[in-house]
Amino acid sequence: AQSVTQLGSHVSVSEGALVLLRCNYSSSVPPYLFWYVQYPNQGLQLLLKYTTGATLVKGINGFEAEFKKSETSFHLTKPSAHMSDAAEYFCAVSAPRNYGQNFVFGPGTRLSVLP
Amino acid sequence: SAVISQKPSRDICQRGTSLTIQCQVDSQVTMMFWYRQQPGQSLTLIATANQGSEATYESGFVIDKFPISRPNLTFSTLTVSNMSPEDSSIYLCSVSEGNTIYFGEGSWLTVV
Repeated sequence: AQSVTQLGSHVSVSEGALVLLRCNYSSSVPPYLFWYVQYPNQGLQLLLKYTTGATLVKGINGFEAEFKKSETSFHLTKPSAHMSDAAEYFCAVSAPRNYGQNFVFGPGTRLSVLP
Repeated sequence: SAVISQKPSRDICQRGTSLTIQCQVDSQVTMMFWYRQQPGQSLTLIATANQGSEATYESGFVIDKFPISRPNLTFSTLTVSNMSPEDSSIYLCSVSEGNTIYFGEGSWLTVV
């Protein structure tokens, strides 16, 4: 079974400040990890993903995340927040096809960016 | 990635009625999924729709309430039947490409 927790349902940062959104997962098989963003009144857009290989992955809009197996974490960061980053962010865990490709989503973190 | 279009994007529905949501993909895909996102909540998988077979429903969702069609590799529909205010949600169509799933823009339903 797989699960995802996101620490902090709401995170506020000032424009230009570091963004850090936390994601921890539980998985009995090698995990595939994803971050999706949902802007107001829109669907979900893939930000970045980790499947295999390099543990630091870069995504769109300047975001990146690092897979840390020892900490079972996949935290999302961005060095400098923009007003346009205000959105809901969802972490998700999946697994390779031979383990059953079910996606499990975390509860989400709402990011507010203050001027 | 595939481009996924949903109709309607928004609707206000009367209690007791049914509404069918359409999902069109610009390429052929094997696996399509329907999710529900209740207000302020995360995503919950309703069912997996594969072409040529019956949809597979998750625990808590039944075919009588959420019938799904998948007539070909680019199209699917989800019907929300006999709606109540508790069905007010965003309904999201998604497709699997490789090891990733991609989403449509969602259908915002409000039941009054």
